[in-house]
Amino acid sequence: QKEVEQDPGPLSVPEGAIVSLNCTYSNSAFQYFMWYRQYSRKGPELLMYTYSSGNKEDGRFTAQVDKSSKYISLFIRDSQPSDSATYLCAMIDNNDMRFGAGTRLTVKP
Amino acid sequence: NAGVTQTPKFQVLKTGQSMTLQCAQDMNHEYMSWYRQDPGMGLRLIHYSVGAGITDQGEVPNGYNVSRSTTEDFPLRLLSAAPSQTSVYFCASSYSSDRAGEQYFGPGTRLTVT
Repeated sequence: QKEVEQDPGPLSVPEGAIVSLNCTYSNSAFQYFMWYRQYSRKGPELLMYTYSSGNKEDGRFTAQVDKSSKYISLFIRDSQPSDSATYLCAMIDNNDMRFGAGTRLTVKP
Repeated sequence: NAGVTQTPKFQVLKTGQSMTLQCAQDMNHEYMSWYRQDPGMGLRLIHYSVGAGITDQGEVPNGYNVSRSTTEDFPLRLLSAAPSQTSVYFCASSYSSDRAGEQYFGPGTRLTVT
């Protein structure tokens, strides 16, 4: 079993839809939780960075962490075609970072 | 600021050859790391460094060496290339190990080993 599980998709939604992306993990020592966005043939870029359980909002993006269930989510409101990318969850324990496999999202106009 | 730069962008090696992937950052970041990205596997940490002169192994270190003689540079050496090392390699940096999750990634090096 991988330490971080993420459904690879692909996920296709119409423009304006609410998107929900999820990851589960097994190592309770993970302290920080991140979401990265990666466009095709580019390096990942940081979207959200959270520490505690609960919600963190930034514009159309909301990151949710539930440490008791070892489950994190990213919600995208009013999705746009420019949101089409691969979304990677990541978590870290003492400098050792683990990524999910990534979910490929397509937002259709 | 150029951010994180990587060279070369593409490389083809024959089995058994060695090479060095270059990584540099101009943000005065303490923490630097190398990942490989394979289909269905996500990003896997190869080696990381929390500062000049300090390096440590990540999840998949075998077949790779690193050194960190300056804050700016963090080269990755493939000692004897194998087809299993065909991958896309990303270098990343962050301000410090306390903020290791907030990483800036380079554009990647696509490596093919035949």
